[in-house]
Amino acid sequence: QVQLQESGPGLVKPSETLSLTCAVSGSSISSGFYWGWIRQPPGKGLEWIGNLYHPGSTFYNPSLKSRVTISADTSKNQLSLKLTSVTAADTAVYYCARDSDILTDPWGQGTLVTVSS
Amino acid sequence: EIVLTQSPATLSLSPGERATLSCRASQSVGSYLAWYQQKPGQAPRLLIYDASNRATGIPARFSGRGSGTDFTLTISSLEPEDFAVYYCQQRSNWPPITFGQGTRLEIK
Repeated sequence: QVQLQESGPGLVKPSETLSLTCAVSGSSISSGFYWGWIRQPPGKGLEWIGNLYHPGSTFYNPSLKSRVTISADTSKNQLSLKLTSVTAADTAVYYCARDSDILTDPWGQGTLVTVSS
Repeated sequence: EIVLTQSPATLSLSPGERATLSCRASQSVGSYLAWYQQKPGQAPRLLIYDASNRATGIPARFSGRGSGTDFTLTISSLEPEDFAVYYCQQRSNWPPITFGQGTRLEIK
C-alpha cells in the first residue's frame, strides 16, 4: 500500500522560501510514476503545482513555474517542494500525490502552510 | 490551459435521491477526466478515472460518463457519507493539470 506523508514548517514569512518534503512508502519514486504537489487555499479549490518523473523530468504549472522547484531524493525515497518569494496568497494546504497518465492517487493527508509575518 | 467548469456550484438533495454533477471542458479532453470526492479536513479521494472507470473500492452507486467536453458524475442513491465536495480533473493536455472549481453536495 502506497502512503505519502508531507512535512515542513507550518509558518513561513512573506518573501521567504517555503520548503516541504514528502516521504513515500510502499513504492519507489523511481518506479515509473509521476510524483507531484497540489495545493488548496483555505475554503477554495485545488491547484496543481507540478510533478516529477524520475530521473530528471519535471513539469510545472505555468502560473508558478518561475518560483517552484520539485526534486527527489531517491536515497530517502522523498519528494521535495520549494516555493520562493511567498506571499499570503500562497497560504494553503499542500498535498503530495502520485500521478499516472490518467489519475492522481494516492494523496498524502496534506499539511497547512501559513504565510504571515 | 484547459478550463473545467462544474455545475451546479451547490446541490441540495436528500439521502436516497439521485445526484447528477456536471463538468464541462473548454476544449476536448477525450476521456482523460477524473472525479474526486473531498470531505472536510481530508485529502481528495479518487472516485472515477478515464471518465467512467470506478477506482478500487468505490461503490457501484457512483458512475461517470462522457467524452470530449461534457462529463457527468452520477450517484444513484445518496448515502449520508456522500455529502461532500466533488472535483473533476483533466490530464489530456498538460501541463497544467487542471481541476474544476468543485460542486458542494449538501443535505437538503
